Amino acid sequence: GENVEQHPSTLSVQEGDSAVIKCTYSDSASNYFPWYKQELGKRPQLIIDIRSNVGEKKDQRIAVTLNKTAKHFSLHITETQPEDSAVYFCAARMNYGGSQGNLIFGKGTKLSVKP
Amino acid sequence: KAGVTQTPRYLIKTRGQQVTLSCSPISGHRSVSWYQQTPGQGLQFLFEYFSETQRNKGNFPGRFSGRQFSNSRSEMNVSTLELGDSALYLCASRSSPNTEAFFGQGTRLTVV
Repeated sequence: GENVEQHPSTLSVQEGDSAVIKCTYSDSASNYFPWYKQELGKRPQLIIDIRSNVGEKKDQRIAVTLNKTAKHFSLHITETQPEDSAVYFCAARMNYGGSQGNLIFGKGTKLSVKP
Repeated sequence: KAGVTQTPRYLIKTRGQQVTLSCSPISGHRSVSWYQQTPGQGLQFLFEYFSETQRNKGNFPGRFSGRQFSNSRSEMNVSTLELGDSALYLCASRSSPNTEAFFGQGTRLTVV
């Protein structure tokens, strides 16, 4: 089955700096890679996602890159702000011959942005 | 449009008891997935239901079971509770397997 590794487990940056979180997946059949943000005591919420037919996607200060050959994808947050502090989860979803499988999540990265 | 609703929000049970958690998906969503969240382990997949059928199952013991009703509401049951079952249980709904998953607030289960 699919396995998703996420690094680092904790990340501390100064406000205004960039933050990068990396994930690797094991199954080349995976074709959908979302990123979720979970603030303390709240539900995970989708912040950006990318499909396997695209190499990069950007939404304001957030971008995701995908390298299918190496089977890894990364989340980039630029100009970080204190409100970016949260736990971020990457995930991968397999394609079972046209049927979409379940999401497999990484273990999360706790991002702290210091003012 | 109402979001994903999970009940109850908090639950305290004793070892050996059983528990049932409920998840009401977003209206029109037919897919419901369940996850167990514990510190350091992230979100671990339990199972997914689509149109009342279990589509996928994670690596959890048989004490964990679920079902989905014709109105897409889903329940998860854990029998013979163990201390290690203490966790936040999250459900997520999708309109179809190829769309974004929306999470509920979760049920915080504490086993004492």
